[in-house]
Amino acid sequence: QKEVEQNSGPLSVPEGAIASLNCTYSDRGSQSFFWYRQYSGKSPELIMSIYSNGDKEDGRFTAQLNKASQYVSLLIRDSQPSDSATYLCAVGAFLAGSARQLTFGSGTQLTVLP
Amino acid sequence: EAGVAQSPRYKIIEKRQSVAFWCNPISGHATLYWYQQILGQGPKLLIQFQNNGVVDDSQLPKDRFSAERLKGVDSTLKIQPAKLEDSAVYLCASSLEGLGWDTGELFFGEGSRLTVL
Repeated sequence: QKEVEQNSGPLSVPEGAIASLNCTYSDRGSQSFFWYRQYSGKSPELIMSIYSNGDKEDGRFTAQLNKASQYVSLLIRDSQPSDSATYLCAVGAFLAGSARQLTFGSGTQLTVLP
Repeated sequence: EAGVAQSPRYKIIEKRQSVAFWCNPISGHATLYWYQQILGQGPKLLIQFQNNGVVDDSQLPKDRFSAERLKGVDSTLKIQPAKLEDSAVYLCASSLEGLGWDTGELFFGEGSRLTVL
């Protein structure tokens, strides 16, 4: 059973601060890693993907991956109240053939305080 | 481009009754997923189709849940009989599929919220 673990939070940061979200996964064969954002009552939406060790930056978001430690993180710089949401870590692995499967963590609830 | 369509958006039933949810994926998306999301938890994969074949249904409670994807397009998820613990949002998602990794983006529908009394 593939597992993806996240701190459930809630995590509160003041506006303008850096929010740091962490995720660990159990399947060493995992090959792709994603962060989804889910606003209350809404469906998840993809915000970042990362496939190789190191950092990947996209605007205010930075994803970090360390496959040896089976660890993924998301940093949100200059946090805004509109960033308040639940952040879901998702880990992808191949199934038979070309199919892939995403396993989601339980999410970390982030609140950015004005 | 039209998104993933789901219906109904909300459903309230009593335990032991049955319910069905419908999903129409984005046109051209070969892979369709049904996820169950219980309040405060992450989405849990129930079943994954590629075209009209089942890729993975290992977490589908087959004694009460069933799903089909006729003609490789839209899909129906059924629960019969429902239990209290089935109260959740049922999310349908679709994605492009290829021999290599693409963006890994799943496109989710609005979800169907089920309350079992």
